[in-house]
Amino acid sequence: GQSLEQPSEVTAVEGAIVQINCTYQTSGFYGLSWYQQHDGGAPTFLSYNALDGLEETGRFSSFLSRSDSYGYLLLQELQMKDSASYFCAVPGANNLFFGTGTRLTVIP
Amino acid sequence: KAGVTQTPRYLIKTRGQQVTLSCSPISGHRSVSWYQQTPGQGLQFLFEYFSETQRNKGNFPGRFSGRQFSNSRSEMNVSTLELGDSALYLCASSALGQTSYEQYFGPGTRLTVT
Repeated sequence: GQSLEQPSEVTAVEGAIVQINCTYQTSGFYGLSWYQQHDGGAPTFLSYNALDGLEETGRFSSFLSRSDSYGYLLLQELQMKDSASYFCAVPGANNLFFGTGTRLTVIP
Repeated sequence: KAGVTQTPRYLIKTRGQQVTLSCSPISGHRSVSWYQQTPGQGLQFLFEYFSETQRNKGNFPGRFSGRQFSNSRSEMNVSTLELGDSALYLCASSALGQTSYEQYFGPGTRLTVT
């Protein structure tokens, strides 16, 4: 089967840096996606790592290590609006399998 | 481009009834996926359609079904509703043919079963 493990909650201070980890166990691994979901909103795509290494998109970066079955999402210069749930996900055979999600709370 | 739209946004049904939810994907997207989101189980994959064919199905009972039309619009149906079917049902579309790592989600339909 497939499993994606994430911390359930993370709290960080506005302006700081936070890292959200994701470890996975899956067959037929293609890559790792990250999604953000605000309360009452729809998940929105943030990034995708198909290869090992760091991908940067503005304040957000995502990292993948296939050998360690591990990835993380790095959020820099945290803003209050970054308070949301963050999900890692792995694409499979015409489906997307989501992790349990990490609720990030940004405090002043 | 208009985003993914879902109707209705909110729905209240009684146990035993059936319900049909609708999803219109982003123009040009031919892959439509459905997910169930609950606080306890998170986001769970229901099924995926591409060019009117169901290509994959999640681990849900046969009461959950779907279809896709030639214009890529999709519907999902839940028959004989149970209290545990109360959830946010999300539809997502993708421009990619396979291994759709980048999906665009609609606002969801909040279904409450009483």
